[in-house]
Amino acid sequence: GAVVSQHPSWVICKSGTSVKIECRSLDFQATTMFWYRQFPKQSLMLMATSNEGSKATYEQGVEKDKFLINHASLTLSTLTVTSAHPEDSSFYICSASSSSGANVLTFGAGSRLTVL
Amino acid sequence: AQTVTQSQPEMSVQEAETVTLSCTYDTSENNYYLFWYKQPPSRQMILVIRQEAYKQQNATENRFSVNFQKAAKSFSLKISDSQLGDTAMYFCAFMPAGNQFYFGTGTSLTVIP
Repeated sequence: GAVVSQHPSWVICKSGTSVKIECRSLDFQATTMFWYRQFPKQSLMLMATSNEGSKATYEQGVEKDKFLINHASLTLSTLTVTSAHPEDSSFYICSASSSSGANVLTFGAGSRLTVL
Repeated sequence: AQTVTQSQPEMSVQEAETVTLSCTYDTSENNYYLFWYKQPPSRQMILVIRQEAYKQQNATENRFSVNFQKAAKSFSLKISDSQLGDTAMYFCAFMPAGNQFYFGTGTSLTVIP
């Protein structure tokens, strides 16, 4: 079945630094990937839709200059949290939909970011 | 607007018993997909079951089955013979044409030994 690998699973950084999270589709091509943020005991909040070879589409209220998304290939999307602050601490999850049209989202295991 | 509502924030069930999680949605679309995802303590989102709106037959996956009522815009999940490993957050999700998913707020299910 479809597998999405997300790395790192856990990262701690100092305030003001940048952190990159990678999302890879291992056995399928993903023209579209999605980045979510999840607060404790809450649902997934869509941050942006990442499209291979073009600019990401950000949801209202999400700062595109803070959360940089790059989708340079059909198997890799990255989320970079720039100049991180403690309020950016959260659980970030990526997902991908196979371009074969299975209409199923496969999720990465998530990345827990803690900003000190 | 597309919305997904899960009215049960928390539920519990005795091991080996049956439990039903409710989900309603609002859409003007006619063709779409519905899903139940499970998020255990590991926080990995796992697909439980999927239903195409054009199919009248309810989807089943082993102990998991749905009751899909298109006219009522209802999509409940029934878990039979509940197991301890079923303890998780369960999210109902809706996908109209265009690939964007809409998630409900989740139901936290605890299976009691």
